[in-house]
Amino acid sequence: DVKVTQSSRYLVKRTGEKVFLECVQDMDHENMFWYRQDPGLGLRLIYFSYDVKMKEKGDIPEGYSVSREKKERFSLILESASTNQTSMYLCASSPHGLTYEQYFGPGTRLTVT
Amino acid sequence: DAKTTQPTSMDCAEGRAANLPCNHSTISGNEYVYWYRQIHSQGPQYIIHGLKNNETNEMASLIITEDRKSSTLILPHATLRDTAVYYCIVYSGGGADGLTFGKGTHLIIQP
Repeated sequence: DVKVTQSSRYLVKRTGEKVFLECVQDMDHENMFWYRQDPGLGLRLIYFSYDVKMKEKGDIPEGYSVSREKKERFSLILESASTNQTSMYLCASSPHGLTYEQYFGPGTRLTVT
Repeated sequence: DAKTTQPTSMDCAEGRAANLPCNHSTISGNEYVYWYRQIHSQGPQYIIHGLKNNETNEMASLIITEDRKSSTLILPHATLRDTAVYYCIVYSGGGADGLTFGKGTHLIIQP
């Protein structure tokens, strides 16, 4: 069964803190994605990666960075958390050539105070 | 990518088949139809996709009209856990692009 896990379900951080969100998939998928989802704004792509050590900016990369050192793991980093980064963060993976067949993790609800 | 139109909401009785329509009249020949759903407070869930033939998997069936301008997602025996927002999207594939959901259909399964 396809599985994507995220390190935390809920997270509360202070403004200015460095935040790490971890995502692990066990399907040997090439593609991995980080989204944020906000009411009224829908799903927005932050970064994606189509191979180890490769990364591409999505629609809203500002204030975020990513790391993919191993195929199964894709990390999202908030260098200096701000209150406008309070959101639901969703990680997804997909197999090569089937980019839109994405499998999502349960999400991390991040609150920055 | 082609735009899709879905009803805002639908009700279905538990145990009955839920039929969710989607119009995509501007779909082009190389665009696939994908369906996802999102249960409240959970991540989106991939359901099924197809190009022009009907498709079936353990979750649902996808019926695409011959002219490909519309499709129907069928949940054969709806349960309360199928209450969710269902999204129909079309995409030509290739490229690692992010998903973009429209407003979707809020399906409510009634006991």
